[in-house]
Amino acid sequence: GQNIDQPTEMTATEGAIVQINCTYQTSGFNGLFWYQQHAGEAPTFLSYNVLDGLEEKGRFSSFLSRSKGYSYLLLKELQMKDSASYLCAVRGGDSNYQLIWGAGTKLIIKP
Amino acid sequence: DTEVTQTPKHLVMGMTNKKSLKCEQHMGHRAMYWYMQKAKKPPELMFVYSYEKLSINESVPSRFSPECPNSSLLNLHLHALQPEDSALYLCASSQQGQGGTEAFFGQGTRLTVV
Repeated sequence: GQNIDQPTEMTATEGAIVQINCTYQTSGFNGLFWYQQHAGEAPTFLSYNVLDGLEEKGRFSSFLSRSKGYSYLLLKELQMKDSASYLCAVRGGDSNYQLIWGAGTKLIIKP
Repeated sequence: DTEVTQTPKHLVMGMTNKKSLKCEQHMGHRAMYWYMQKAKKPPELMFVYSYEKLSINESVPSRFSPECPNSSLLNLHLHALQPEDSALYLCASSQQGQGGTEAFFGQGTRLTVV
C-alpha cells in the first residue's frame, strides 16, 4: 500500500528552528515534495528531493534518505507568517503524475 | 509567468444547478490536474490530463465531468452535486513526463453546494 506519515501538529517559537518529519512507504519513488498551505489557500511549492541529502533554500531546507523512506523539512528563524500546514508528498506508485500526499502538519508559531 | 489561474474563486450552487470551474496556465505544461480538498485533509486527486487526453480518473462520480479544450485550459463541469461535494477545488499543472518538476497550484475555487 501507499502510506505517508507526518505529525499532525507542532508548535514552535518565533525565531527558533523546527524540523517536520515525514516517513513514506510507496510502491515507487520519483521524488519527494514539500508544500506549504495557509488556511483556505492553495498549496505552494517549497522543495523537491530525489537524491539523498540536504537541499537548502533560504530559511528552508529539506533532507531525504531513500533507504530509510524518510524526509524532513527544516525551518530556521521562524516568523509568524510560517504558521501554516506543511504537506509532504511523494511522486510514486504506478504513475509519474500521481502525488501521494501526507495528511499535513499544522505548524503553530508562538511569539 | 508561473501562475495557474482559476475562476471563479467562490461558487454557491444548488443541487439541480449546472456550473463549470475553469483553470488556465501559460507555462507550457502538458499535464493538468483537478484536486478536491476538504478541511484539514490533503488534496485528493480527481483527474489528470496529459497532452490534452484524460490519463487518470480516480473513480470520480459522473456528476463531475472534466474537459481539456486545449493545452492551456482545463474545465470541470458540475451537475447535480450533493452537499458533501462542498470543498476547495484545486487545479494544478506540471511538466510532462518524469517526476522532478513540481506541480503549480491555482488558488482554488471554494464550492458550496446547498
